[in-house]
Amino acid sequence: DGGITQSPKYLFRKEGQNVTLSCEQNLNHDAMYWYRQDPGQGLRLIYYSQIVNDFQKGDIAEGYSVSREKKESFPLTVTSAQKNPTAFYLCASSITPNRGTQYFGPGTRLTVL
Amino acid sequence: ILNVEQSPQSLHVQEGDSTNFTCSFPSSNFYALHWYRWETAKSPEALFVMTLNGDEKKKGRISATLNTKEGYSYLYIKGSQPEDSATYLCALGGPNAGGTSYGKLTFGQGTILTVHP
Repeated sequence: DGGITQSPKYLFRKEGQNVTLSCEQNLNHDAMYWYRQDPGQGLRLIYYSQIVNDFQKGDIAEGYSVSREKKESFPLTVTSAQKNPTAFYLCASSITPNRGTQYFGPGTRLTVL
Repeated sequence: ILNVEQSPQSLHVQEGDSTNFTCSFPSSNFYALHWYRWETAKSPEALFVMTLNGDEKKKGRISATLNTKEGYSYLYIKGSQPEDSATYLCALGGPNAGGTSYGKLTFGQGTILTVHP
């Protein structure tokens, strides 16, 4: 089945540790995105990538890093510099950066203890 | 950062009721308006992409209208069913880093719809 997978579903980490969230897609989409959701707020864009080996900061990139070494993979690292890392993280992809409909993964809930 | 507002924040209706909610956005430099449905424990699912002023789209019992001049979109659900219970998100498409089309999405906070049997 084609789709976007994120793993793990739940992730617990100690404060001060870096953690990497996985996002994989087999839709052959060029563009991929990372969003964060906090209670009472809309999805906020962290980083996006239009093509392999290229990515741009979104609205809340501080404390996060990404890589795009393969078309199908766009991992997000939450670093110790992120002040409030506990949140729900969603990954998405679209056919091209100019085809706006985005397809979402199931999300990862990160809790920093 | 663009400001996309949705109202109401939450809504409770009875099965069979028709309902509607609003997405407001800046009317300048409009690219596209997206509606998504997000059911609990599932991924957000795209409903509509709307680009033209006066656009009206329909999918089963759900329809949406767009007014880009005044900066709002309405989502209507006719004859609500319990399976319509979800968070409905709207998102404004903006230019990507190349300044073209509508790659980046700015989301509203969502309207949580609960349909009671």
